[in-house]
Formats: sequence, structure tokens, C-alpha cells
Amino acid sequence: DGGITQSPKYLFRKEGQNVTLSCEQNLNHDAMYWYRQDPGQGLRLIYYSQIVNDFQKGDIAEGYSVSREKKESFPLTVTSAQKNPTAFYLCASRVGGEQFFGPGTRLTVL
Amino acid sequence: QKEVEQDPGPLSVPEGAIVSLNCTYSNSAFQYFMWYRQYSRKGPELLMYTYSSGNKEDGRFTAQVDKSSKYISLFIRDSQPSDSATYLCAMRSGGSYIPTFGRGTSLIVHP
Repeated sequence: DGGITQSPKYLFRKEGQNVTLSCEQNLNHDAMYWYRQDPGQGLRLIYYSQIVNDFQKGDIAEGYSVSREKKESFPLTVTSAQKNPTAFYLCASRVGGEQFFGPGTRLTVL
Repeated sequence: QKEVEQDPGPLSVPEGAIVSLNCTYSNSAFQYFMWYRQYSRKGPELLMYTYSSGNKEDGRFTAQVDKSSKYISLFIRDSQPSDSATYLCAMRSGGSYIPTFGRGTSLIVHP
């Protein structure tokens, strides 16, 4: 089965802790993206990567970090510097002009 | 004013109704238009992807783009309870692969 997987589905974090969200794809797509979704808001871009070993900040990159060491993987770290991290996080990949999303990770800060 | 405006709803319709979902935008550079369906606590699923003005049909779904009015629509014919979801519009210019998303419209189709 080809697709995008995100893990875990639900994640709880204490304030002051860093946490890493996993995103893996076996679609052979070059470009990958991380979005944040809050209730009643559209998707906001955190980081994106057009190719391995390269990535750019999106609109709300502060408090987040990423790496792109393999084509298949684009993990997102939510650091303690992110002031309001509770949200639904979506990973996506792109082929041509079409973007496809993973199932999402719900992060809750306790 | 946001670049892409979308009424959050909820829009409640009876089963079998024709549903019209809409977005307006302000950036005349947008050329590619998308509609996604998102079920609760799931990732968005791409429904329609269109270029420039005109109509595109796929089964019960029709996407319509009017660039002169900066207005796009998604029509759902013979709506079903399984169509109950949030529908996100998205659009981008030809020079960027990063779309701008609307806030989404919540649709409820009741039996």
C-alpha cells in the first residue's frame, strides 16, 4: 500500500518538553510539508522540503524544527519554545501540483 | 481580509439535496484550485484539482471556477450522510507549489 503514515496518532506532552512527530511516505515524492490545524482555522504551513537535505520555513516555523535526511522521512520536532503547541499536525507530500495528506497527529500539552 | 474566504457553516441539508460550497479569494495570481474533504480527526483527502476557469465533474462532484469573480464552488449532487465532513478549498499560483487554504465549511447531511 502506498501512502503517508504519521505516528503516533495521539501524543501528550508536558510543558517544557520537546517532542518529535513522525512522517513517512512510500510514494517516492520529493516534496514534503508540515501543517498545523487549529479549530476554525485553515491549515498553516510550518516547514516544507522540496528535496532531501533541504528545507524552508513556512509561515509559523518559530518553536519547531525539522530534518530531511531521507526522501521517505520528514520528522517534526515541537520544542519547548513553541508557546501554544496543542493542535492537530498534518504531514503532506506532493507530486506535480497535487498535495496528499497523512492521517494527522493530535498533540496535547498537559 | 484573508486571501481566501470560506464560510465555516455548519451547513445542514437533507439527504438527496444538492449542496453548494463556495470560496472567494483576492489574489488574482491564483490559477490552480483544489477541494479537500476532511472527516473528523482525519487528514484531508483531495477531491478535485482544477486549473483556471471552467467546470470539472467527477461522479457526484462538480468543481466550478470563475476567475473573473474570484469565486470557486463545489457542488455535490444527491448528497449522502457519508458526505458529512469539513470541506476545505485551497488555491495556488503557477509560480508556487504552496497552496493557501480556506478555513473549511462543515457540512451535515441528515437522513
